[in-house]
Amino acid sequence: EADIYQTPRYLVIGTGKKITLECSQTMGHDKMYWYQQDPGMELHLIHYSYGVNSTEKGDLSSESTVSRIRTEHFPLTLESARPSHTSQYLCASSGSVGTGFEKLFFGSGTQLSVL
Amino acid sequence: QKEVEQNSGPLSVPEGAIASLNCTYSDRGSQSFFWYRQYSGKSPELIMFIYSNGDKEDGRFTAQLNKASQYVSLLIRDSQPSDSATYLCAVNSGNQFYFGTGTSLTVIP
Repeated sequence: EADIYQTPRYLVIGTGKKITLECSQTMGHDKMYWYQQDPGMELHLIHYSYGVNSTEKGDLSSESTVSRIRTEHFPLTLESARPSHTSQYLCASSGSVGTGFEKLFFGSGTQLSVL
Repeated sequence: QKEVEQNSGPLSVPEGAIASLNCTYSDRGSQSFFWYRQYSGKSPELIMFIYSNGDKEDGRFTAQLNKASQYVSLLIRDSQPSDSATYLCAVNSGNQFYFGTGTSLTVIP
């Protein structure tokens, strides 16, 4: 079944640690995205990619980095985690099927807590 | 700046009533429009997609689009407690997706 997979689902980590949030999709989509969302707050786009070796920063400044070496894989890395990075991180991908219009789908998210 | 505005919540409706959620957008070039449902602590789930003026129905959900007024709405008929969630309006414009801040809906049994 086509899906978007994020791991881990929950992560509690100490300040200063390097972390990588994994995201893989079997949707066959070229475009992938990372959003950040605090509880009860709006979504903020932090990174996106329109294809392999293509990455861009989103609207919200983030200290994280991303890579896109394979179409299906779009990991997000924080070199040195801080308490201010505590948030939910949502991976998404988009593609057009049938109608020719893009549709955006989300993974289950990673809830990150930095102590 | 491309903006998506949603009617301020929270919205409370009794079980069995019709819930009406509204959204306006600023970019006339927007091509497609979406409604997502997000339960607390979960990720957004796409529930409706519309790109032509008029109504689109899917079960208890109806999306309505009026491009001239730059307005899109979501009607939920026979509201159920399980519909209690935050509903996000999104538009696709220039190959980017823009989201509203969401409207919190509570269906009271």
